[in-house]
Amino acid sequence: SSELTQDPAVSVALGQIVRITCRGDNLRKYYASWYQQKPGQAPLLVMYGQDSRPSGIPDRFSGSSSGNAASLTINGAQAEDEADYYCSSRDSGGDHGFGGGTRLTVL
Amino acid sequence: QVQLQESGPGLVKPSETLSLTCTVSGGSVSSGSYDWSWIRQPPGKGLEWIGYVYNSGGTKYSPSLKSRVTISIDTSRSQFSLKLSYVTAADTAMYYCARSFTSGWVDGFDIWGQGTMVIVSP
Repeated sequence: SSELTQDPAVSVALGQIVRITCRGDNLRKYYASWYQQKPGQAPLLVMYGQDSRPSGIPDRFSGSSSGNAASLTINGAQAEDEADYYCSSRDSGGDHGFGGGTRLTVL
Repeated sequence: QVQLQESGPGLVKPSETLSLTCTVSGGSVSSGSYDWSWIRQPPGKGLEWIGYVYNSGGTKYSPSLKSRVTISIDTSRSQFSLKLSYVTAADTAMYYCARSFTSGWVDGFDIWGQGTMVIVSP
C-alpha cells in the first residue's frame, strides 16, 4: 500500500511562504497529488505531477519533489488558504493512499 | 463540465451491505482514459481510498477493504457503484466518488462529488 506521512499542523503568517511536506517510499517513483479541503467541502485537487496546477488554482501554489518527499508550497499565503491539505500517491501495484493530512492555519 | 453526484441510504444497520451510486453528468464514464474511484472520510479523520473501477469494468481495491468491497460500472447509465458488506460502526463516514486520471508516474483525483454521509447504526 501507499503509506504517506504528513505533519499534522502547520501555521503561516498572512502573506508569507509555507511549505507542506509529504514523505513516503512510493514518492521515489510516483509523483504526489495534493488536495485542499475546507470544512464541509469535498477535497479539491490543487497540484499534481512535478508542478502542475489544475485550471483555476492560483499560481501562488507550487509543487516539488526530491527523493522520498514531495512538497506543496504556498508563496504568499492568503486567509482563504486556511484548510486541511492531503497528499496522495499510488504504489507499483496500483493501490492509492493518502497522507494523514496537514491543517494549515493562516495567522 | 463533468459533475459527480453520490446517492444512497444515509443509514445502514450493522452487518448489512452499504450501497451507493455515483452518477456522472456532463460526460460519460466510458469516455477518455479515466478511472472511477470511491474514497471515504470518517468524521474528523483523514481520507481513505476504497478502490476504483476502469471504464472497461476492471477493478482495484484497497487491501484493507478488499474482502468486503465491490465496485461496478454501468456505462449505459453513466454510473458507478459501491457495495461494502458486513458494515460496522467503523464504516461510518462521508463517502465520496471521484474521477481519477493516470499518465505514467502522474495521477490524481481531479473531480469529486459533494459526498454523502453514511451512518452505521442499529
